[in-house]
Amino acid sequence: QKEVEQNSGPLSVPEGAIASLNCTYSDRGSQSFFWYRQYSGKSPELIMSIYSNGDKEDGRFTAQLNKASQYVSLLIRDSQPSDSATYLCAVNIARPKTGANNLFFGTGTRLTVIP
Amino acid sequence: EAGVAQSPRYKIIEKRQSVAFWCNPISGHATLYWYQQILGQGPKLLIQFQNNGVVDDSQLPKDRFSAERLKGVDSTLKIQPAKLEDSAVYLCASSLGGAGNTIYFGEGSWLTVV
Repeated sequence: QKEVEQNSGPLSVPEGAIASLNCTYSDRGSQSFFWYRQYSGKSPELIMSIYSNGDKEDGRFTAQLNKASQYVSLLIRDSQPSDSATYLCAVNIARPKTGANNLFFGTGTRLTVIP
Repeated sequence: EAGVAQSPRYKIIEKRQSVAFWCNPISGHATLYWYQQILGQGPKLLIQFQNNGVVDDSQLPKDRFSAERLKGVDSTLKIQPAKLEDSAVYLCASSLGGAGNTIYFGEGSWLTVV
């Protein structure tokens, strides 16, 4: 099992709809979870971080975390064409060999918002 | 606040040649990372520094890749000799340090090996 798994998509939603992006992770001890947005040809930029079970809202974005199910999601309300990008889920996982906490990324879900 | 600076932005080399990438992290950030992102994949950590010490280099192909962070600030990543499969974006990132700290990425150095 990969450390972080996402559906690669593509996911297409009409403008104004809710886009739902999902991610699962392997390490039950993980404590920190992040969503990054990456436009084509650009570097990832952080849009949300979440550390506790439940929902965290920031504007049109809501991150949801369920540690028991090892599941984290991102909801984008009132989707806009400018939200079209690849969304990367990232999870801090302790590496068994070194004990270091590393940020592992999923392969990303490509989202297209159709005007 | 200045972001993570990287150079060069783009590089095309022939296989078996060498290449070096430079990174200057955000001022005050103790932790520096080099990630490799192959087209269509998520970033993969190559090496993590805490100040000028290596925290984790378990995914760095040490037969051809090397990295250093002298004086705990700037870092260089070198590939010698390059292979076709090294074609990727090399992302430098930095954070204040510690698990859970936000990681900020530079614009990346795009490498094409022909």
